[in-house]
Amino acid sequence: GNSVTQMEGPVTLSEEAFLTINCTYTATGYPSLFWYVQYPGEGLQLLLKATKADDKGSNKGFEATYRKETTSFHLEKGSVQVSDSAVYFCALSRATDSWGKLQFGAGTQVVVTP
Amino acid sequence: EAQVTQNPRYLITVTGKKLTVTCSQNMNHEYMSWYRQDPGLGLRQIYYSMNVEVTDKGDVPEGYKVSRKEKRNFPLILESPSPNQTSLYFCASSMNRDAYNEQFFGPGTRLTVL
Repeated sequence: GNSVTQMEGPVTLSEEAFLTINCTYTATGYPSLFWYVQYPGEGLQLLLKATKADDKGSNKGFEATYRKETTSFHLEKGSVQVSDSAVYFCALSRATDSWGKLQFGAGTQVVVTP
Repeated sequence: EAQVTQNPRYLITVTGKKLTVTCSQNMNHEYMSWYRQDPGLGLRQIYYSMNVEVTDKGDVPEGYKVSRKEKRNFPLILESPSPNQTSLYFCASSMNRDAYNEQFFGPGTRLTVL
């Protein structure tokens, strides 16, 4: 079946540090890939997405590239801020058997200190 | 403002006492679903609905019921709650079931079953 594996947290960084969160997936065909972010006490919101191989999603200084050959969708940001402290979820959705379902990874908590 | 609302936000109840968590969206979305979030497991889909009167089981449907009588509303019903249903619940909606669509999440309902 489909699955998503992402690095465990918490990841603790200083402000302006470089952030990478690894995400790999298992799925047949060409799933759509997403990063959702959950700020404290809030619901999830879409951070970025990519729908085909080699696509790069970007938003708010975050980037992730859909790598079919390594089945990965790693999230990166060059200079984090305290306001980036949140839980980040990698997720996939397949058109043919998921019926709109998002398959989530376990989530990675990121803590940015001043 | 486009949004998904859930009520209540917090609920403490006892084993066996029926409860309903409401979900409503104002975006005229066809697709709605319920997820539960548990530590280390990410979010898992409970039930989904592709349109009015069309619902189906997700990955963890046991102990839950849903209905979709109106397009905007998708309540989650726990007929006889048990402690293993203590969790954080999210309602989500999207335009339709296409895999590349963004899903919009409600703020969450934290349920404790004693």
